[in-house]
Amino acid sequence: ETGVTQSPTHLIKTRGQQVTLRCSSQSGHNTVSWYQQALGQGPQFIFQYYREEENGRGNFPPRFSGLQFPNYSSELNVNALELDDSALYLCASSLDRSSPLHFGNGTRLTVT
Amino acid sequence: AQSVTQLDSQVPVFEEAPVELRCNYSSSVSVYLFWYVQYPNQGLQLLLKYLSGSTLVKGINGFEAEFNKSQTSFHLRKPSVHISDTAEYFCAVRRGGSEKLVFGKGTKLTVNP
Repeated sequence: ETGVTQSPTHLIKTRGQQVTLRCSSQSGHNTVSWYQQALGQGPQFIFQYYREEENGRGNFPPRFSGLQFPNYSSELNVNALELDDSALYLCASSLDRSSPLHFGNGTRLTVT
Repeated sequence: AQSVTQLDSQVPVFEEAPVELRCNYSSSVSVYLFWYVQYPNQGLQLLLKYLSGSTLVKGINGFEAEFNKSQTSFHLRKPSVHISDTAEYFCAVRRGGSEKLVFGKGTKLTVNP
């Protein structure tokens, strides 16, 4: 059983730039969720995708967007980066919308 | 909106001592409760979950938690900790019918020799 893998592990961007983070879900998991974990905080829900459609969204602006592909991979895109976007971004997959989440190790994004 | 309060931000204990990490959540008609552990520079690993049934839930690594509906609590316990249990622990709740997990701010457990 393969786990959830995320790339890259670390990333440094400049304010105003755009970034794409990638995630490969566990095989058979058709639901993927993205969370933002700021330093010293718990993860916060960004959005969830189920069968390639956005299924729910947290309190994040539209410049945070996502895609889910049929091969169990997904992307998180952030436009017009701000300093406060610096955080650990976690991808999590699950068998369906109500099953427990399996997390990847995250991408550490630093915005300067 | 659902919320989770982890009452202790840091808990230092000695090896082989018992530990309890406290978690309270805002009330809802039906909730599902989880504890996750995060080791340095890693993602979150599921320790245990309460979905329904017995209020005492056993998880991995010798941890257990008790769901108390009247006190809206889901405290995590281990009778004897090891150095390797040093990590950050997150309590999370999902309301029935919702797709999102709401996390607490975490409790950093440090096990000293």
